[in-house]
Amino acid sequence: GDSVTQMEGPVTLSEEAFLTINCTYTATGYPSLFWYVQYPGEGLQLLLKATKADDKGSNKGFEATYRKETTSFHLEKGSVQVSDSAVYFCSEQGAQKLVFGQGTRLTINP
Amino acid sequence: DTGVSQNPRHKITKRGQNVTFRCDPISEHNRLYWYRQTLGQGPEFLTYFQNEAQLEKSRLLSDRFSAERPKGSFSTLEIQRTEQGDSAMYLCASSLSQGRGEKLFFGSGTQLSVL
Repeated sequence: GDSVTQMEGPVTLSEEAFLTINCTYTATGYPSLFWYVQYPGEGLQLLLKATKADDKGSNKGFEATYRKETTSFHLEKGSVQVSDSAVYFCSEQGAQKLVFGQGTRLTINP
Repeated sequence: DTGVSQNPRHKITKRGQNVTFRCDPISEHNRLYWYRQTLGQGPEFLTYFQNEAQLEKSRLLSDRFSAERPKGSFSTLEIQRTEQGDSAMYLCASSLSQGRGEKLFFGSGTQLSVL
């Protein structure tokens, strides 16, 4: 079945550092791609999405570009903040259901 | 938008007992999903409904698991004869079907511990 592989964590960075979390997917065709985030003590929430090749999703300073040629959807942010500390999940939606990666825990130190 | 509500938040049970969880989706959402999440892993799909119809079930869902969504509103997930391996966070999500890129709204989950 379809699967999503993302960079293993935990990832620890200093405030204002550059962030990349890698994500690749296996679904054929043109699935929709997502990043969901889970802040401490909260439920999963959508961070950004892209629905077709070369689309860039963006939100809260985070960006990810849908790369069909490399089946990737890497998450980036130019300058992270302490408040970005959370678990980030890459996911893809081919048919109906959402398939998630294993999650990457990000900790930002002041 | 009152969000997706799940009850109970925590459930502790003994092996072999039956448990039932409830999910109340956002009122106008026609799709409802159940996922299971264990520590350090991403959510795993269990099943989903469009209105009252259960359209897909994961092979992870053994015969001990059953889900319903009567009248296309709230949903229940029942686990019969619980096993220790059923211990996990059970997540419910709802959405409004809108073609590609539909956004799922997740509840806070029910944490099940089977002793």
